[in-house]
Amino acid sequence: AQSVTQLDSQVPVFEEAPVELRCNYSSSVSVYLFWYVQYPNQGLQLLLKYLSGSTLVKGINGFEAEFNKSQTSFHLRKPSVHISDTAEYFCAVSVLTDKLIFGTGTRLQVFP
Amino acid sequence: DTAVSQTPKYLVTQMGNDKSIKCEQNLGHDTMYWYKQDSKKFLKIMFSYNNKELIINETVPNRFSPKSPDKAHLNLHINSLELGDSAVYFCASSQLTGAAGNTIYFGEGSWLTVV
Repeated sequence: AQSVTQLDSQVPVFEEAPVELRCNYSSSVSVYLFWYVQYPNQGLQLLLKYLSGSTLVKGINGFEAEFNKSQTSFHLRKPSVHISDTAEYFCAVSVLTDKLIFGTGTRLQVFP
Repeated sequence: DTAVSQTPKYLVTQMGNDKSIKCEQNLGHDTMYWYKQDSKKFLKIMFSYNNKELIINETVPNRFSPKSPDKAHLNLHINSLELGDSAVYFCASSQLTGAAGNTIYFGEGSWLTVV
């Protein structure tokens, strides 16, 4: 069975600082990987996804993630965060079907 | 235009009541889903439908009954509501089924509180 672990439940950072949100997955077969963002009181929005090809994936709002098969990781990064990036971030995997298996989320809090 | 819309956005109801949440997508997608997000923000799939046919049922209590009158709609009916049903319910859709990697589009959620 597949699983997703988001190692940090909360990540506080100051505005304009870089940030990395960590995600590790477990699967015996190839997976597709996703990062979704949930702004307060809103639904989930896709930031980026990895299907195949280049291991560095660029998404919306200046975010990028790197797929590392040997470390079974898909960490999300942004070189300089804004106040508006304050949100909950979810890593997810899917295998063979559209069923998404989510991690428990990381709350990114950006301070001025 | 909202791609995946669900109503109501907020719902407060008493234990034992029956309630429905409606969902519509205008993306022309064939597949629709219901996800549940609990108080700890944990998200889990409940159901998925492809072209009105049930594809995934994640051992959800049978008090929860999804209904898909057409491929653009997937409603969720909940009987005999319990305190533990309090959560945010997200409707979602995607274009294809049977193939992983599709982008799934989520609605804005329906906050259900059972008192």
